[in-house]
Amino acid sequence: AQSVSQHNHHVILSEAASLELGCNYSYGGTVNLFWYVQYPGQHLQLLLKYFSGDPLVKGIKGFEAEFIKSKFSFNLRKPSVQWSDTAEYFCAVNADTGFQKLVFGTGTRLLVSP
Amino acid sequence: DTGVSQDPRHKITKRGQNVTFRCDPISEHNRLYWYRQTLGQGPEFLTYFQNEAQLEKSRLLSDRFSAERPKGSFSTLEIQRTEQGDSAMYLCASSPRTGTSEKLFFGSGTQLSVL
Repeated sequence: AQSVSQHNHHVILSEAASLELGCNYSYGGTVNLFWYVQYPGQHLQLLLKYFSGDPLVKGIKGFEAEFIKSKFSFNLRKPSVQWSDTAEYFCAVNADTGFQKLVFGTGTRLLVSP
Repeated sequence: DTGVSQDPRHKITKRGQNVTFRCDPISEHNRLYWYRQTLGQGPEFLTYFQNEAQLEKSRLLSDRFSAERPKGSFSTLEIQRTEQGDSAMYLCASSPRTGTSEKLFFGSGTQLSVL
């Protein structure tokens, strides 16, 4: 069975600090990888995804993530966070099933202080 | 905004009662998903429809749970004889038919509290 671990449950940063959120998954086969974000009072929305090709993927709002297959990791990064990045971030994995049976991590709450 | 719509936003019920939630996907999205999220956890997959056909069900979906998507448009999720452990946020998501790069559009969810 697949599983996803997000190591940081709560992260507090000042504006302009750099961000890296860890995500590790367990699954031996081909996977698709995702980061979803939930801003306060809003619904979950896709931040970025990896299906194949370049392991460094870029998403919305300056976020990027790198798929390192040997480490089973898909860490999320942003060089300089803004107050508006305050949100909960979820990493998710999907075996190559042809539909979105996602397995999510427990999430990381990011608070960016102005 | 013609996003995924869920109704009601909140539902409080007593243990043993039946509840039904509705999800209206984005128009022309032929795939519809239900997920459940409990406090401190990420969403968990419950079930998936392609058009009106329910193609996958999680083991989390006990026989007290039933989901339908008549005519391949809106979907309902019914929970019979609710238990306190059913308290959670029930999320609906839809997606258009795509190739390999499918993207889910989530609704705001229905928060169920079972007393």
